[in-house]
Amino acid sequence: GAGVSQSPSNKVTEKGKDVELRCDPISGHTALYWYRQSLGQGLEFLIYFQGNSAPDKSGLPSDRFSAERTGGSVSTLTIQRTQQEDSAVYLCASSLEGGNTEAFFGQGTRLTVV
Amino acid sequence: AQSVTQPDIHITVSEGASLELRCNYSYGATPYLFWYVQSPGQGLQLLLKYFSGDTLVQGIKGFEAEFKRSQSSFNLRKPSVHWSDAAEYFCAVGPYGAAGNKLTFGGGTRVLVKP
Repeated sequence: GAGVSQSPSNKVTEKGKDVELRCDPISGHTALYWYRQSLGQGLEFLIYFQGNSAPDKSGLPSDRFSAERTGGSVSTLTIQRTQQEDSAVYLCASSLEGGNTEAFFGQGTRLTVV
Repeated sequence: AQSVTQPDIHITVSEGASLELRCNYSYGATPYLFWYVQSPGQGLQLLLKYFSGDTLVQGIKGFEAEFKRSQSSFNLRKPSVHWSDAAEYFCAVGPYGAAGNKLTFGGGTRVLVKP
């Protein structure tokens, strides 16, 4: 596609529910990243995919968070048993390859846990 | 561990005036430095990047940044600000030459442009 696409753009969920956030990277980009942007914490790295594997998942804040990528393309970030502190904007980025290539960001998914 | 500090949380500037946003980083190896801009409700857009060569780099929208290794700084400048430059600006550092462009971001500087 023309850019990184994320869906939904907004999600309101009840505490304790599971949510799935989707990222569709730019076609041909092998590297994909998830970041979280929240008040007081700024922009935090969550996980990095190269192809379908995740060599760096060091930023996932707890075992309630998981992500997968299939076909070297679409990625899904899943948050189980959501908590209010999970409320944030979740940003996805992709780049042509890892290393020193520009990462293009999507517009993000705003998650609100009530 | 790497870190990025943007000392100014908010900056207000008059349209047509110059703008300088400060960024200091701490990094144990050769850094790969970026400035991104985020307009309200939008994702991050890359303004410019630096990893080697000329320490003054030019970016999009008339922005430039200067890398000063001795000061661990990478300040962003624009000679004449337009109302459309009102946004939040993020400085970031990443590992040069390593696979996986995992970025560490500063806290951001929100720029308000007065008419």
